[in-house]
Amino acid sequence: DAGITQSPRYKITETGRQVTLMCHQTWSHSYMFWYRQDLGHGLRLIYYSAAADITDKGEVPDGYVVSRSKTENFPLTLESATRSQTSVYFCASSEWGVQYFGPGTRLLVL
Amino acid sequence: QQPVQSPQAVILREGEDAVINCSSSKALYSVHWYRQKHGEAPVFLMILLKGGEQKGHDKISASFNEKKQQSSLYLTASQLSYSGTYFCGTAVGGGSQGNLIFGKGTKLSVKP
Repeated sequence: DAGITQSPRYKITETGRQVTLMCHQTWSHSYMFWYRQDLGHGLRLIYYSAAADITDKGEVPDGYVVSRSKTENFPLTLESATRSQTSVYFCASSEWGVQYFGPGTRLLVL
Repeated sequence: QQPVQSPQAVILREGEDAVINCSSSKALYSVHWYRQKHGEAPVFLMILLKGGEQKGHDKISASFNEKKQQSSLYLTASQLSYSGTYFCGTAVGGGSQGNLIFGKGTKLSVKP
């Protein structure tokens, strides 16, 4: 199906484990983004990518790693998960300034 | 650098009007508005570019005053479907492409 998808939709993990959240878009949009959403903070940008092999930090990049070897995929890795990374994570892609968000991944770090 | 939205929350009766404001301490090149319903992803409403233009989307419109570095979202004759959290986003580094910095959101509740 066309659009932007995220997997998994729900994830429970333990402190210290590595977790990878997947994001896939079928539009061939150049720009892709990762946000986290927490109560009282709104949407905060973690990393973004202007094209394949081009990534840059956002507001809250610490503890996260991204890669973009293909235009359509933009995985986000938590190298060693902490409780403070419990959040809802949204991936988005953009064309002409309009951001299209994926359905989100709810991550709980115990 | 994060834009400031006001009010933080507003409760309306169906048919009433509301205004949500978004202001920035930095020069604005564009302002982007999104709505997020509970448990869902944010959805694009509109972009306003430099030039003070006003845009409309059904009974939702917005203005952009670049001199005052602020934008306002106007919801007219609100419907139950307008309930949700509204976010403004400001483009970083100019233009309307690229990454946005979002405000903390304004929660709008429309009651019958």
